Amino acid sequence: AQTVTQSQPEMSVQEAETVTLSCTYDTSESDYYLFWYKQPPSRQMILVIRQEAYKQQNATENRFSVNFQKAAKSFSLKISDSQLGDAAMYFCAYRSSGNTGKLIFGQGTTLQVKP
Amino acid sequence: DTAVSQTPKYLVTQMGNDKSIKCEQNLGHDTMYWYKQDSKKFLKIMFSYNNKELIINETVPNRFSPKSPDKAHLNLHINSLELGDSAVYFCASSQVTYSTKSEAFFGQGTRLTVV
Repeated sequence: AQTVTQSQPEMSVQEAETVTLSCTYDTSESDYYLFWYKQPPSRQMILVIRQEAYKQQNATENRFSVNFQKAAKSFSLKISDSQLGDAAMYFCAYRSSGNTGKLIFGQGTTLQVKP
Repeated sequence: DTAVSQTPKYLVTQMGNDKSIKCEQNLGHDTMYWYKQDSKKFLKIMFSYNNKELIINETVPNRFSPKSPDKAHLNLHINSLELGDSAVYFCASSQVTYSTKSEAFFGQGTRLTVV
């Protein structure tokens, strides 16, 4: 069975600085998807970025980018120029390429942004 | 236009009661899900329906019964509520077949409190 591990329960960053959130996963599959979701205090789950395992290029969405290391089964999220609105809980999630679409989540990392 | 909407947002009820949470998606997705977020913020899948057919049924007490009248709706009925059922329940949807888009979209969550 696949597992997702986020080893940093809490992180903090100064506004305008850069922070990296870690995620590792375990799978025997070669084709899958990885995601980062953001959950602010409003509780809404917001997709931040996705990565297809077959793509070697790291995904980027504005200030958010990932470092996808397939062999190491590592998928970290880098947030550049951190803003107060980035403060939230961040979840790493794995999805098999199969036909269920089921997401397996990590434990989450709470990010604090200091002004 | 809310893509995935669930009602109610908050639900406070007494032990032993029966309650339902409704979910609707207007994205035309073929698959819908119920996820449970516990008090430690851990997210885990409960059920999934693909075109009204149950495809995922994780280890969930029989008191929980999902129903999908059509592929745009997925409801969750809970019988004989217990204190341990208190959690946030998220509905989500995604397009699993014939799609290059892999991400799931989430509703705003229903905070269920059993007293």
